[in-house]
Amino acid sequence: QVQLQESGPGLVQPSETLSLTCAVSGFSISNGYYWAWIRQPPGKGLEWIGSSYHSETTYSNPSLKSRVAISLDTSKNQFSLSLTSVTAADTAMYYCARRIVMAGNWAFDIWGQGTKVTVSS
Amino acid sequence: EIVLTQSPGTLSLSPGERASLSCRASQAFSSSYLAWYQQRPGQAPRLLIYAASSRATGIPDRFSGSASGTDFTLTISRLEPEDFAVYYCQQCGFSPFTFGQGTRVEI
Repeated sequence: QVQLQESGPGLVQPSETLSLTCAVSGFSISNGYYWAWIRQPPGKGLEWIGSSYHSETTYSNPSLKSRVAISLDTSKNQFSLSLTSVTAADTAMYYCARRIVMAGNWAFDIWGQGTKVTVSS
Repeated sequence: EIVLTQSPGTLSLSPGERASLSCRASQAFSSSYLAWYQQRPGQAPRLLIYAASSRATGIPDRFSGSASGTDFTLTISRLEPEDFAVYYCQQCGFSPFTFGQGTRVEI
């Protein structure tokens, strides 16, 4: 059974860098698929942050401009999110997820339980 | 960027009733890229439907999806108590992978 678990600091200072990790069990990330980060501000909807495949191919949401970096660590079977220059608008629940393809059909099939991040001094 | 507009914002129904949720895309794309998710309070989203009409593993057959051009529909044939939640559509074929704003199904 594939499981994802987010971890990281719950509180980040404004202008600092938010760093989160998603540990994957039950599936080797080196076997393929895209690994993604999605966030949800309090009381609001879902926003895709970015996805990475083998670290060489990464897509990120243009709304976040160049603040996003996603990396894969196959030795630890985990992937990470780095979001620089955070503001209060980055306060959200952050989810990691797997984006898979099934016979040409795409979806985010497995999600972590989420980790809450607050940006505040 | 593909914009997905969900309607209605809130659907007030009773257990046993039928729910019909709409998701309209700002431009056409393959139904292979359209997914529906359910989010219960305090929980992570869960994949219900992929490729517009295929149920994910373990999803009851009371959930069904359909597509017609840029219009996508999620139907819950008979609402169970655990179905009262927020539902999101998403296109996951073209970056940025966008979500609709969600439809809340409430008792």
